[in-house]
Amino acid sequence: GAVVSQHPSRVICKSGTSVKIECRSLDFQATTMFWYRQFPKQSLMLMATSNEGSKATYEQGVEKDKFLINHASLTLSTLTVTSAHPEDSSFYICSAMGGETQYFGPGTRLLVL
Amino acid sequence: QKEVEQDPGPLSVPEGAIVSLNCTYSNSAFQYFMWYRQYSRKGPELLMYTYSSGNKEDGRFTAQVDKSSKYISLFIRDSQPSDSATYLCAMRSNFGNEKLTFGTGTRLTIIP
Repeated sequence: GAVVSQHPSRVICKSGTSVKIECRSLDFQATTMFWYRQFPKQSLMLMATSNEGSKATYEQGVEKDKFLINHASLTLSTLTVTSAHPEDSSFYICSAMGGETQYFGPGTRLLVL
Repeated sequence: QKEVEQDPGPLSVPEGAIVSLNCTYSNSAFQYFMWYRQYSRKGPELLMYTYSSGNKEDGRFTAQVDKSSKYISLFIRDSQPSDSATYLCAMRSNFGNEKLTFGTGTRLTIIP
């Protein structure tokens, strides 16, 4: 099946710093990628839809200036959490549109101290 | 009322049993139906994907979609301890870059 990778898998940072998370589709091209956030024992919450070569579309309540998304190629989308704070600590998961469905990455666990 | 309803469980069954997981939905425009398996601290893994109504089988897994009842099911035969995970149903309305609407997920434990 289609493979999506994420890097890093885990990151710990100090409050106020910025963190970049990469999402790559390894064996297929994806014009659309999605970024989700998941809290413990809860379902996935869509943050934004990332389209190659255009601006991302953010869900209501998600700060676009805080969560910067760049989809510069058909295989790479990045999420940058700017000026991270402890409340941004969460599990971030990307997915890539492959054919008619989405394939998910393994997730990135962010801990902001 | 949520667009997609899924019993959160937890559901515990003995090894070898048949497991039935279900979701109901309210949006008649949904055409594509998926089941994902998510292990703890991992991303969801696509298990089954079905378009419109009907059945689909893949090994020990069978997905059923009944659009007239707005009801989808995932059956797991000969359940194994490695099947212990959270199962998420997801669906979307048409071909293209549509967002998925997820159920809340059912936590399943297979008891050896």
